[in-house]
Amino acid sequence: AQSVSQHNHHVILSEAASLELGCNYSYGGTVNLFWYVQYPGQHLQLLLKYFSGDPLVKGIKGFEAEFIKSKFSFNLRKPSVQWSDTAEYFCAVNAKNAGNMLTFGGGTRLMVKP
Amino acid sequence: NAGVMQNPRHLVRRRGQEARLRCSPMKGHSHVYWYRQLPEEGLKFMVYLQKENIIDESGMPKERFSAEFPKEGPSILRIQQVVRGDSAAYFCASSPGPVSRLYGYTFGSGTRLTVV
Repeated sequence: AQSVSQHNHHVILSEAASLELGCNYSYGGTVNLFWYVQYPGQHLQLLLKYFSGDPLVKGIKGFEAEFIKSKFSFNLRKPSVQWSDTAEYFCAVNAKNAGNMLTFGGGTRLMVKP
Repeated sequence: NAGVMQNPRHLVRRRGQEARLRCSPMKGHSHVYWYRQLPEEGLKFMVYLQKENIIDESGMPKERFSAEFPKEGPSILRIQQVVRGDSAAYFCASSPGPVSRLYGYTFGSGTRLTVV
């Protein structure tokens, strides 16, 4: 069964700082990859997804993620964070040919100080 | 186009009571997924349903939990004889097709169950 690790549980940044959140998964086959964001008190929203093609994926709100197959990673990046990016971020993996469930990482809580 | 609707948003139950959580998928979505988020933890898959069928329930506890998605009406997650450990946020998601066919999920706002 696949698993997803997000090593940074809490991240605190100042506005305009650059962001990189790590995501590693364990599954040897082909995967679909997702990043979701959960703002305080709200539901999960899709930031971006990777299914195939260009491993550098652009998402909403200036976020991007890079799929590095050799490292089993799908790190999330943003060059300059804003206070409004304060939220919890979840990486998720769907292993192709292994059902339709998403396996989520434990999440990273990002706090951006104004 | 309404999103995934879950109700109630908050539910308080005493130990031993039953909890019923409802999920209406987005219009045109026939695939429904239930996830549970325990405090300070990520989301854990519970069950995947299509209309009138349970496709994958590998994440459901063997006892007290059941789910359905009838031909008419919302999907229901039912927890019988609730215990304090059932306190969590329960999220429903829907998609127009299976994830493996390039569809992502759309999540609802969740139901926060508190067992007292």
